[in-house]
Amino acid sequence: NAGVMQNPRHLVRRRGQEARLRCSPMKGHSHVYWYRQLPEEGLKFMVYLQKENIIDESGMPKERFSAEFPKEGPSILRIQQVVRGDSAAYFCASSPTGANYGYTFGSGTRLTVV
Amino acid sequence: AQSVTQLGSHVSVSEGALVLLRCNYSSSVPPYLFWYVQYPNQGLQLLLKYTTGATLVKGINGFEAEFKKSETSFHLTKPSAHMSDAAEYFCAVSEAETSGSRLTFGEGTQLTVNP
Repeated sequence: NAGVMQNPRHLVRRRGQEARLRCSPMKGHSHVYWYRQLPEEGLKFMVYLQKENIIDESGMPKERFSAEFPKEGPSILRIQQVVRGDSAAYFCASSPTGANYGYTFGSGTRLTVV
Repeated sequence: AQSVTQLGSHVSVSEGALVLLRCNYSSSVPPYLFWYVQYPNQGLQLLLKYTTGATLVKGINGFEAEFKKSETSFHLTKPSAHMSDAAEYFCAVSEAETSGSRLTFGEGTQLTVNP
């Protein structure tokens, strides 16, 4: 049973480009969470999704960031017109019924904006 | 609203010594509490969790934590540190009985183990 799969592991983008980060949850998990980890900081919640629905996006920046979890395929975190401050590690986690019992995390995507 | 405070962003111990990583939380509802470990350039791995029942929780790699409601604490301990324990440790809280509740993380504690 594969774990939470994130790709790519490393992503380099120039300022102004778009970044697309993918997350395939564990089999049987229908809840997906995205977190961002800035250097020397803890993880900050961004968005919580279930299939085809955004449940809580209170941690998402108001502009340039969006997320989806379609009926088929992985969850996508999209960052448009990236800036240097977007450089961070982005982690996806999945859970079968919600966070109450703890997530399973992916290995993350490390985004570098040059 | 919930929050987590980890006292000490860096902790250094000698191999074989006691490991104590401190975590205090605030939550307006009964909490679920977690400790995660992160090795360099990797994701977070669940060490242990408290949901209900026994307040002393045992996890992987010899770690344990005790939920003390009166002190709003959930400190992580290990009797004897091993070199392989060097990593960053995160305490997290979620709201019990709230389906889909997010985890709120502390800022992390970097553990160094000296030979």
